[in-house]
Amino acid sequence: QKEVEQNSGPLSVPEGAIASLNCTYSDRGSQSFFWYRQYSGKSPELIMFIYSNGDKEDGRFTAQLNKASQYVSLLIRDSQPSDSATYLCAVKVDNFNKFYFGSGTKLNVKP
Amino acid sequence: DTEVTQTPKHLVMGMTNKKSLKCEQHMGHRAMYWYKQKAKKPPELMFVYSYEKLSINESVPSRFSPECPNSSLLNLHLHALQPEDSALYLCASSQDRQAKLFFGSGTQLSVL
Repeated sequence: QKEVEQNSGPLSVPEGAIASLNCTYSDRGSQSFFWYRQYSGKSPELIMFIYSNGDKEDGRFTAQLNKASQYVSLLIRDSQPSDSATYLCAVKVDNFNKFYFGSGTKLNVKP
Repeated sequence: DTEVTQTPKHLVMGMTNKKSLKCEQHMGHRAMYWYKQKAKKPPELMFVYSYEKLSINESVPSRFSPECPNSSLLNLHLHALQPEDSALYLCASSQDRQAKLFFGSGTQLSVL
């Protein structure tokens, strides 16, 4: 049973549109949720984290968490070609130094 | 400063070689990690050190040997690797409670 699930994509959106990425997780004990961006051949870069139900905004990025439904989402507003990358969802169950990663969603932003 | 430094960036080794990967962080983080990532796959946890003690070993073959000399340094010793061990090896660190995981730039390893 997969701990964290993501649609592998690719998700294609035109430049300037909103990209919506989704992630579901299975462990109800999960407390911390993260989104990483990974360009091809590079290491994952932390772009958002969220601990509480609701929305968290940072610039063009909004993370949304719904613990009752066990999903996390990432919205990217005004998408740019430079946003084209694979987005990894990660979940941490507190009290364990273990992060579970989804398989990633590949985003293509077309000029 | 959220930097985790890994060396070398690229490594090519034969199956009989012994090599080491190095990782350093100066953020005061007390948990350090080794991940392995194959192309188009998510990072796969190998080892976790917490307060310089090995806390998680995800049943990694003994040809991979981790070492944590102090709270800032993490090594991964490699010996008698197989071609299927070729991958991107990522070091990461986190503050124990704050939980954000920061990755280094990785070592791209090729085993011939």
